[in-house]
Amino acid sequence: TQLLEQSPQFLSIQEGENLTVYCNSSSVFSSLQWYRQEPGEGPVLLVTVVTGGEVKKLKRLTFQFGDARKDSSLHITAAQPGDTGLYLCAQGDGNKLVFGAGTILRVKS
Amino acid sequence: GAGVSQSPSNKVTEKGKDVELRCDPISGHTALYWYRQSLGQGLEFLIYFQGNSAPDKSGLPSDRFSAERTGGSVSTLTIQRTQQEDSAVYLCASSLGRGGSRQETQYFGPGTRLLVL
Repeated sequence: TQLLEQSPQFLSIQEGENLTVYCNSSSVFSSLQWYRQEPGEGPVLLVTVVTGGEVKKLKRLTFQFGDARKDSSLHITAAQPGDTGLYLCAQGDGNKLVFGAGTILRVKS
Repeated sequence: GAGVSQSPSNKVTEKGKDVELRCDPISGHTALYWYRQSLGQGLEFLIYFQGNSAPDKSGLPSDRFSAERTGGSVSTLTIQRTQQEDSAVYLCASSLGRGGSRQETQYFGPGTRLLVL
């Protein structure tokens, strides 16, 4: 099982700022998923990236999958307080998902 | 439609007691997963059920942990003789269970917050 490293661990920014969080592995991903988890809730899938170099956009969120499929990033433009939460990357490993430790994002108004 | 539901939402117990956590998956989903989320360990896989196949128990941390899935729907995770290190959020997820090489979307419940005193 490969280890997923996420950075930064914690990010506190003002409303309107841009930010990027990262997910890295020493091994190649077959695919990668990004989840967002709010306090008191379970993780909710944001996107799945499959192809090296792929870029997907979800409103103000842009997801990139590295060419070598060993890394991925999530960029948020003009962050809003509603973006506050725990952002997790995950990779499928047989019957289960393996998660990174997550990035806690706090957007202050 | 209804999502994955879990009960209880919170559980406080004393060390040494047994606890049962319940998960109701999305109707029609044949795959069901249990994960544990704790401060030190992040989100880790515990057990996976798919239809009538033998469950994948490879993530269970000790023999104090067990899970059942009755009638291919509701699942119960049981922790016997609870320890303080069992304190965590226990999350259940379900997916369609169609298999194949592509990773299916897992839909998570809100979790059960377990505190062992």
